[in-house]
Amino acid sequence: NAGVTQTPKFRVLKTGQSMTLLCAQDMNHEYMYWYRQDPGMGLRLIHYSVGEGTTAKGEVPDGYNVSRLKKQNFLLGLESAAPSQTSVYFCASRRGQLYEQYFGPGTRLTVT
Amino acid sequence: AQSVTQPDIHITVSEGASLELRCNYSYGATPYLFWYVQSPGQGLQLLLKYFSGDTLVQGIKGFEAEFKRSQSSFNLRKPSVHWSDAAEYFCAVGINTDKLIFGTGTRLQVFP
Repeated sequence: NAGVTQTPKFRVLKTGQSMTLLCAQDMNHEYMYWYRQDPGMGLRLIHYSVGEGTTAKGEVPDGYNVSRLKKQNFLLGLESAAPSQTSVYFCASRRGQLYEQYFGPGTRLTVT
Repeated sequence: AQSVTQPDIHITVSEGASLELRCNYSYGATPYLFWYVQSPGQGLQLLLKYFSGDTLVQGIKGFEAEFKRSQSSFNLRKPSVHWSDAAEYFCAVGINTDKLIFGTGTRLQVFP
């Protein structure tokens, strides 16, 4: 099993450009999450999903949109990138409420 | 509001020394508790977890953690640190079971 994979691994955007980050998991997990990690701030939850077709806002949702059209995929979109969105983005998945989260390797995004 | 505190931002130990990383939480009921490790440039890997039962839990790589309800703590310990343990460590708490709340992390540096 590949576990949780993220595409791309690195990306540089100019301010105002858009992009989509793809997260895929092959563990048949119900729950999926998008976090951003910034120095000294730990992990902050952007959006999450508790099942196919559902999404919910996390701690820092502004400027991001998500979709979960297929159970195995969770997409994070930036419609108009800003320098404040420069960060490392992690996706995670979880079988259910009583289980731990499994993390992907991360995507390093730089917005200039 | 529920919160997780890791009071030590940075800890330095000598190889072979013992280690204790602190984690305190603020939550009304007994939460689900996790410790994750993040090596440079990597995603987060689960070290151990506590849901119920024995308050001393064993994890991978020789780590253990003890849940102390009276102190609202879940400290991570290792009797003898190896150079490969240098990484960032995150404590996390399950709240309402849909989401995890992460501490801001403790960076461990190991001197030979």
